[in-house]
Amino acid sequence: KAGVTQTPRYLIKTRGQQVTLSCSPISGHRSVSWYQQTPGQGLQFLFEYFSETQRNKGNFPGRFSGRQFSNSRSEMNVSTLELGDSALYLCASSLVRGVDYGYTFGSGTRLTVV
Amino acid sequence: DAKTTQPNSMESNEEEPVHLPCNHSTISGTDYIHWYRQLPSQGPEYVIHGLTSNVNNRMASLAIAEDRKSSTLILHRATLRDAAVYYCILRDLRNNNAGNMLTFGGGTRLMVKP
Repeated sequence: KAGVTQTPRYLIKTRGQQVTLSCSPISGHRSVSWYQQTPGQGLQFLFEYFSETQRNKGNFPGRFSGRQFSNSRSEMNVSTLELGDSALYLCASSLVRGVDYGYTFGSGTRLTVV
Repeated sequence: DAKTTQPNSMESNEEEPVHLPCNHSTISGTDYIHWYRQLPSQGPEYVIHGLTSNVNNRMASLAIAEDRKSSTLILHRATLRDAAVYYCILRDLRNNNAGNMLTFGGGTRLMVKP
């Protein structure tokens, strides 16, 4: 079966611009989470969506936002890009919410802000 | 929140067993122990999880100490493809929000020598 699909794989943007990243979870998975990975901070949780509702949010500024659609696909948006937003953005999906389940991650979108 | 401590790096020879330790001395009775690994240029991959009893799956085994203050991920025969960063993560059953986000530490970088 298809895994978690993230598009685009690579992106170059200029400071001040905004960007939208897309994530298609595994079919049937309803929980989608987003993570940011940088060499300095490692992997950090951004937000979690379930049934089109944001259930949890990490410690990131309001420039970072997301949403989930009725088919469980999710998008995240970063407005007014800063150089420090350059990172690998990872999406993960799970069948349901619950600590007795594992997450499946996509390969990520590599964002470079110049 | 309960935290985990892992060695920064470990080396192993190909086709030999690997024991990756994780200390979690402040673990609570409702914390699940999860392991993920991240291969180069990929998103994290779920490996295994458990609560109290030892667990086995096709990828690895998880040995949990009787007092649950430590655990060990066991790769029975390391291959070059097992070279990755391995993360030990606690997920709290009681907290439906915090338990649904993965808090990654620095992990253990496993190097496999041919």
